[in-house]
Formats: sequence, C-alpha cells, structure tokens
Amino acid sequence: GQQVMQIPQYQHVQEGEDFTTYCNSSTTLSNIQWYKQRPGGHPVFLIQLVKSGEVKKQKRLTFQFGEAKKNSSLHITATQTTDVGTYFCAGGGNYQLIWGAGTKLIIKP
Amino acid sequence: DTGVSQDPRHKITKRGQNVTFRCDPISEHNRLYWYRQTLGQGPEFLTYFQNEAQLEKSRLLSDRFSAERPKGSFSTLEIQRTEQGDSAMYLCASSLETSGVGTDTQYFGPGTRLTVL
Repeated sequence: GQQVMQIPQYQHVQEGEDFTTYCNSSTTLSNIQWYKQRPGGHPVFLIQLVKSGEVKKQKRLTFQFGEAKKNSSLHITATQTTDVGTYFCAGGGNYQLIWGAGTKLIIKP
Repeated sequence: DTGVSQDPRHKITKRGQNVTFRCDPISEHNRLYWYRQTLGQGPEFLTYFQNEAQLEKSRLLSDRFSAERPKGSFSTLEIQRTEQGDSAMYLCASSLETSGVGTDTQYFGPGTRLTVL
C-alpha cells in the first residue's frame, strides 16, 4: 500500500542551528501537508503544498514539494526553543492522509 | 472554545471491557476522522465520515471497533472487548470539504488517551 517515509526519526540541534526533515512517498501524491505536534499535544496544521516544485515559506520555515510530487522537505533556519516538537508530513490521498512517522526536533541544553 | 473537543481525555480500563469515546467537531465541518497514535509514531487512520455517512474504514480496523456519527455532528468510537494492544491516543479531526485539488486541512482535538490494563 501507499507509504510515506520520513527521516530522520530524531534530530538534536543546538539552539540557533538549522533543522531539516525529509519525506518520501512510494507513489505520487496529490498534495502534502505538514503538521507540528508539541510534547503532550495534538497535531497542528502548518501548511499544504499542492503544485509540483512548490516552495512556501513561513518566517523561518521553508517547505518544498518535489518536482515528481513524491518527496517533500521542511527546513527550519536558526532553531528556537519554541520549535521543539515532532514534525509530521502527511501525503494526500482521496480523503485519507498517509502520515510519516515524524521527526522529533530536540534542542540540546 | 470553538475547536474540536474530545471526551474523556483519559480512560483507564481493564482488558475485556468496552469503552466509548466522543468527538465534537468544529460546528461547520462536515468531515470527521478518527486516528490512533502510539508513542513515536504518526497518526494511523481508522475511519472517516462525511456528514453522517461512514465513507472509509481502515482495513487494519478489527471488528471490535465501531464508529458512528448519527446526525452528522458529534461522533462516537466504541472499542469492544479491549485488549492491551488497544492502548494508544485516539485522535479525532474535522475538516470542511473544499473544492479544488488536495485534501482538506484537518483540525485535531486533544485526543483521548486509553490505557488497557
């Protein structure tokens, strides 16, 4: 069946360093969505990408959708403590979202 | 609060008991989803409603699980004869059907954490 692989599982960074998470789908996606889940919280929608090669920015966050619409990335510049959490990608099917396993952003003390 | 709400927030039960969870979506949203999430994993799709109709159900969902959305507003998820493997966070999400390409933005509730002893 359709799968979305997300790497890495964890990323430890010093505050101020950059963070990147990658998603790859086994099939072409109609769209990809990104969510953030804070520790103890629930997923919160960040953004949706629909077009091939699309790039969107939200302040320090940059989201990309691959040309083949099978991969996506999220890059955070100059991480802050408020960025801590798990970032999930979710590929769009008909009505169902296929979720990656998430990348946990951990700020080193 | 006009977001998605879920009740209860926590449930502890003994193996073999039945449990029922409730989800109240954002009022104007016509789509409602149930997910299960275990530690370190992304949400796993369980089932989906458009208004009162249950349109999709995961093949992974055993017959012990049933969901309803009788009036197209709130929904319930029942698990019969609970097993320890059912311990997880059960998330509900809702969305408003939109036209055009892509899947709707889903808004999640706080979840119900189930512990089966």
